[in-house]
Amino acid sequence: DAMVIQNPRYQVTQFGKPVTLSCSQTLNHNVMYWYQQKSSQAPKLLFHYYDKDFNNEADTPDNFQSRRPNTSFCFLDIRSPGLGDAAMYLCATSEGYSSLSKLFFGSGTQLSVL
Amino acid sequence: AQKITQTQPGMFVQEKEAVTLDCTYDTSDPSYGLFWYKQPSSGEMIFLIYQGSYDQQNATEGRYSLNFQKARKSANLVISASQLGDSAMYFCAMREDPQGGSEKLVFGKGTKLTVNP
Repeated sequence: DAMVIQNPRYQVTQFGKPVTLSCSQTLNHNVMYWYQQKSSQAPKLLFHYYDKDFNNEADTPDNFQSRRPNTSFCFLDIRSPGLGDAAMYLCATSEGYSSLSKLFFGSGTQLSVL
Repeated sequence: AQKITQTQPGMFVQEKEAVTLDCTYDTSDPSYGLFWYKQPSSGEMIFLIYQGSYDQQNATEGRYSLNFQKARKSANLVISASQLGDSAMYFCAMREDPQGGSEKLVFGKGTKLTVNP
């Protein structure tokens, strides 16, 4: 059974056209993360939520926003996608911040910007 | 400074043989966790194995084992009896204790493993 679900699997958008990626979880985890992964690179953390507390990484562009309306759902909004935003976007969850807590990942959304 | 170093961009192994993927890490925090994830071409990150900094024994999960050498700050992944389905990117990652470090999981650059028939 899928525990972290990302939709859609593939997303195509136009340059400058806002796009929203979604993530849901059935694990009831406190923490939800959004990572960006460009081709042949390591995942890069954009931001995360601990419950409703939002934590932005210092180098995450303002173009990227997130919403977490409830425990189960988290959204990534890209207000004006540029060509450089084409990437795989990975959602992940964990129980908490402990060094013991592993991250559970969804299958990702591959974003293309035309 | 790089916290996780994976020095092998690519590795090749024959089917049914064992392979070791290297990972070294850098932390001053006494409490941390080390993780290995597999990422097939489909993109999903699959958790493989975990080692805590205070664990006395090396972690094992089926065909995966972790060669943890704390003094050398290395956490190499050993895959025994390689299968064609093991062909994927492998990421080593570390999570430090939030008391003294960060709440985030930091990844290495990955090693691409190819299993040859």
